[in-house]
Amino acid sequence: AQSVTQLGSHVSVSEGALVLLRCNYSSSVPPYLFWYVQYPNQGLQLLLKYTSAATLVKGINGFEAEFKKSETSFHLTKPSAHMSDAAEYFCAVSPPGQNFVFGPGTRLSVLP
Amino acid sequence: DVKVTQSSRYLVKRTGEKVFLECVQDMDHENMFWYRQDPGLGLRLIYFSYDVKMKEKGDIPEGYSVSREKKERFSLILESASTNQTSMYLCASRGTSGPTDTQYFGPGTRLTVL
Repeated sequence: AQSVTQLGSHVSVSEGALVLLRCNYSSSVPPYLFWYVQYPNQGLQLLLKYTSAATLVKGINGFEAEFKKSETSFHLTKPSAHMSDAAEYFCAVSPPGQNFVFGPGTRLSVLP
Repeated sequence: DVKVTQSSRYLVKRTGEKVFLECVQDMDHENMFWYRQDPGLGLRLIYFSYDVKMKEKGDIPEGYSVSREKKERFSLILESASTNQTSMYLCASRGTSGPTDTQYFGPGTRLTVL
């Protein structure tokens, strides 16, 4: 079965610092990978997705993620954190013919 | 702009009540989903539907049922609400072009059962 792990249920960074949220997947076939963001008391919003066109994917709000097949990873980064980035972030894999498999989520706090 | 709407943002019900959560999407998507989200447990799939009048159990269907009479509408039903069903409920929809299709979420319904 497919699975997604996100290292760190809670990550804190200072405003202006690099944001790095980790995502690793298990997949025996080429995966399609997604990052979603959830602001408090809201639904999930798509940040970006990997569809095999390019290994470095740029998303909204200055986020990007790099697909590394050798490491089975799809880590999310942002060069400079902003207070408005405080939210919960979910990584997901979309196996062909199956429903999404979501990771457990990482809560990002941004300190002033 | 794509849109998934849920009938209520916040709902308070009493134990034993029958509860209906409604979800409507305007993207002509075949697939619709109901999740519940609890702290530390992430998103858990309750039911999904891949066509009108079709439904499939997800990972935690016990205590829930669903209805899909029209393509755009997917309802989650709690036949007899219990306190352990207090949670955030998220509806989502997705097309059928393939595995690269994005899943779109509604704003969520925070249900409290007293």
